[in-house]
Amino acid sequence: DAGVIQSPRHEVTEMGQEVTLRCKPISGHDYLFWYRQTMMRGLELLIYFNNNVPIDDSGMPEDRFSAKMPNASFSTLKIQPSEPRDSAVYFCASSLKVADRAYEQYFGPGTRLTVT
Amino acid sequence: AQSVTQLDSQVPVFEEAPVELRCNYSSSVSVYLFWYVQYPNQGLQLLLKYLSGSTLVKGINGFEAEFNKSQTSFHLRKPSVHISDTAEYFCAVTLPEYGNKLVFGAGTILRVKS
Repeated sequence: DAGVIQSPRHEVTEMGQEVTLRCKPISGHDYLFWYRQTMMRGLELLIYFNNNVPIDDSGMPEDRFSAKMPNASFSTLKIQPSEPRDSAVYFCASSLKVADRAYEQYFGPGTRLTVT
Repeated sequence: AQSVTQLDSQVPVFEEAPVELRCNYSSSVSVYLFWYVQYPNQGLQLLLKYLSGSTLVKGINGFEAEFNKSQTSFHLRKPSVHISDTAEYFCAVTLPEYGNKLVFGAGTILRVKS
């Protein structure tokens, strides 16, 4: 398997612009997670889906952020409008159940977002 | 209260020396524990996991970890490190109150010097 695929790998945009990050999970995985990583705040969970349904979006910073999972093989994270403080590395991960309540997550390579 | 605590933000060590990266969690119920590694400019990769059974868990790249329920710890060890082990290491747990989410520690940067 190719692993979790994210695109683009790097994105540079100007403040106020819309940004869309994309993720293709590993085939057969039924959970998908979006994380944000910064030096100041570390690794933060933004939202996660189970069988394409959002389960917990309590980590989404504000209404400028939205995420969708229209089918089992694709998810997007959108920021509109973007702000400089959104600059971070955004990771997508998908998971496989290995035991009751235990899900082993596989991470994509990340998208490095810079908002100027 | 923080659920996962990695006690050291950075650990410098010389090549071929042993290393221990510490992780403590706060939970009185059964947990599942993971260690992930992040090499520069890459995503996180699973090193090892504890689900049940033997408390000593062996992972990739010669790493191992020991689950200690009484001390609520899951420290990561390697008897002899290489320059290529320089990376950031994250401890993570799944807790009943957090559903199926992984709760990550703040990370420990391991710097291996020659």
